[in-house]
Amino acid sequence: DAGVTQSPTHLIKTRGQQVTLRCSPISGHKSVSWYQQVLGQGPQFIFQYYEKEERGRGNFPDRFSARQFPNYSSELNVNALLLGDSALYLCASSRGLAGGDTQYFGPGTRLTVL
Amino acid sequence: AQKVTQAQTEISVVEKEDVTLDCVYETRDTTYYLFWYKQPPSGELVFLIRRNSFDEQNEISGRYSWNFQKSTSSFNFTITASQVVDSAVYFCALSLGDTGFQKLVFGTGTRLLVSP
Repeated sequence: DAGVTQSPTHLIKTRGQQVTLRCSPISGHKSVSWYQQVLGQGPQFIFQYYEKEERGRGNFPDRFSARQFPNYSSELNVNALLLGDSALYLCASSRGLAGGDTQYFGPGTRLTVL
Repeated sequence: AQKVTQAQTEISVVEKEDVTLDCVYETRDTTYYLFWYKQPPSGELVFLIRRNSFDEQNEISGRYSWNFQKSTSSFNFTITASQVVDSAVYFCALSLGDTGFQKLVFGTGTRLLVSP
């Protein structure tokens, strides 16, 4: 079975631009979560979506938004990019929302903001 | 608030040595879950193990073993007879029980370098 897929692999943007990252979950998984991983740090929770609804949000500004589609794939949008948004963005899928569900991660999208 | 501490930033060992990666967590909840993930240079986080707060049994999977001790709020990970392929960054993570969503709180990771 295919794992979590993300596109694109790498992106280079300039300050002020907008970016859209995409994620396809494992077949049968209904939940998608997004994490930001700055170099040298652990991943930080951004959002969790389940059945097309936002179920949880981390401490990120409103410039960050996401959505989930009927096929459970998801997009993460970041507006008005700042240099500090440069990071590896990881998508994870899981069956549901329970604390004990295992989240399986994709390879990530590395965003560089110049 | 929940917190995970991985005090070891980087560990270097020679192949075949045993190595233990430490993880200390903080939470006031009685129901929680602990995870270990491996992040090789490719960047993808690879799931290794999940443990719930009511199961303190230690677990062994091949060369990997985990020691969960609620008394010290620790969930340590040992690799026996390390191999070069074990070189990666290892993350410990915590999530709570039924909060309506699942948020993994990660430590800062421990970089393991295994040399031949």
